[in-house]
Amino acid sequence: NAGVTQTPKFQVLKTGQSMTLQCAQDMNHNSMYWYRQDPGMGLRLIYYSASEGTTDKGEVPNGYNVSRLNKREFSLRLESAAPSQTSVYFCASSDRVETFGSGTRLTVV
Amino acid sequence: EDQVTQSPEALRLQEGESSSLNCSYTVSGLRGLFWYRQDPGKGPEFLFTLYSAGEEKEKERLKATLTKKESFLHITAPKPEDSATYLCAVHNSNSGYALNFGKGTSLLVTP
Repeated sequence: NAGVTQTPKFQVLKTGQSMTLQCAQDMNHNSMYWYRQDPGMGLRLIYYSASEGTTDKGEVPNGYNVSRLNKREFSLRLESAAPSQTSVYFCASSDRVETFGSGTRLTVV
Repeated sequence: EDQVTQSPEALRLQEGESSSLNCSYTVSGLRGLFWYRQDPGKGPEFLFTLYSAGEEKEKERLKATLTKKESFLHITAPKPEDSATYLCAVHNSNSGYALNFGKGTSLLVTP
């Protein structure tokens, strides 16, 4: 029972490079979320998808785009990475309780 | 605006020394208060959900309680393996059922 799977686990990017963070869940949940976690800031919502085919902005959406590819998969794209996007990114899915993946640690240099 | 404030930021306990963590919240309509545990390098792991004032839930050495303005996570006779960051969260009233998190309490239990 994998739950929520995120790839990659670690990534180093140069400023201006692009990349996509992948997330997949096997619990048949309708809702999926992307958060970032920074020291002293806690977990902050970037984007969410309440159901397949819908996406909405969260608290800190600037510099990111998302795609809800199907019910299982929700990806997060950084089009032009900036040092301020250095963070740990978590994907989650839920019915009434959110289940989190193990995170992607991203460093932008 | 929904707000969640956790205290203390950090807590150091001796093994067996009971204590409580606090979570104060302000929401327009509570649809659930959540406690998670997070170990270093891992994602948050669900512990409890509380929905109404007066509700209590227990799991091993942990007990969560809820009032109209705050929640407490009581840790009874903690062990070193209870060391982790404990996160409190409420449903964000503006973002579907996404969670609005506090900054967490980092707990260290020493032998």
